[in-house]
Amino acid sequence: DAGVIQSPRHEVTEMGQEVTLRCKPISGHDYLFWYRQTMMRGLELLIYFNNNVPIDDSGMPEDRFSAKMPNASFSTLKIQPSEPRDSAVYFCASSLRQGNGYTFGSGTRLTVV
Amino acid sequence: SQQGEEDPQALSIQEGENATMNCSYKTSINNLQWYRQNSGRGLVHLILIRSNEREKHSGRLRVTLDTSKKSSSLLITASRAADTASYFCATVGGDGYNDMRFGAGTRLTVKP
Repeated sequence: DAGVIQSPRHEVTEMGQEVTLRCKPISGHDYLFWYRQTMMRGLELLIYFNNNVPIDDSGMPEDRFSAKMPNASFSTLKIQPSEPRDSAVYFCASSLRQGNGYTFGSGTRLTVV
Repeated sequence: SQQGEEDPQALSIQEGENATMNCSYKTSINNLQWYRQNSGRGLVHLILIRSNEREKHSGRLRVTLDTSKKSSSLLITASRAADTASYFCATVGGDGYNDMRFGAGTRLTVKP
């Protein structure tokens, strides 16, 4: 298996633009998680899905953030409009079942200028 | 689920020495997990220890769990320069939720 695949690896965008981050979890994993990592705030859980259904989105910072999982093999995290304070590394992770270890993707480094 | 808190924040040792990192948490758990993150990369799962286990080994890694003290430790023996990374703990609570939250991590530097 190729692991959790995220795209793009790097994204530079101007303030106000829409940004879409993509994630392909490991096949067969029932859980998918989106995290954001910054120096100031560390790793923050944004949202997680179980069997494509959002379970907890309490970590999504604002209405500008939205996440979808239309099928078991694909998820998106969208920021619209983007702001400089959204600059961070965004990680996607998947897990086989409840309580198991997570497999993380390589992350998307987002820079909003 | 809850956030694990790692201690110390930073640790610097010489190659060949042992490195010990600690993790504390606040409520009951189903299991506790340790992860490593190399600079600029995603987290890598190292080891999982269940609440009914006290010690677990994996290669040069040794993890202990003391549920009465709500703490865990990660020992890396005979450290190598390649062990330089940040190490995080995270817990899966007994409440049935699967959302792990990570602390600030311990930044380990192993000098050659």
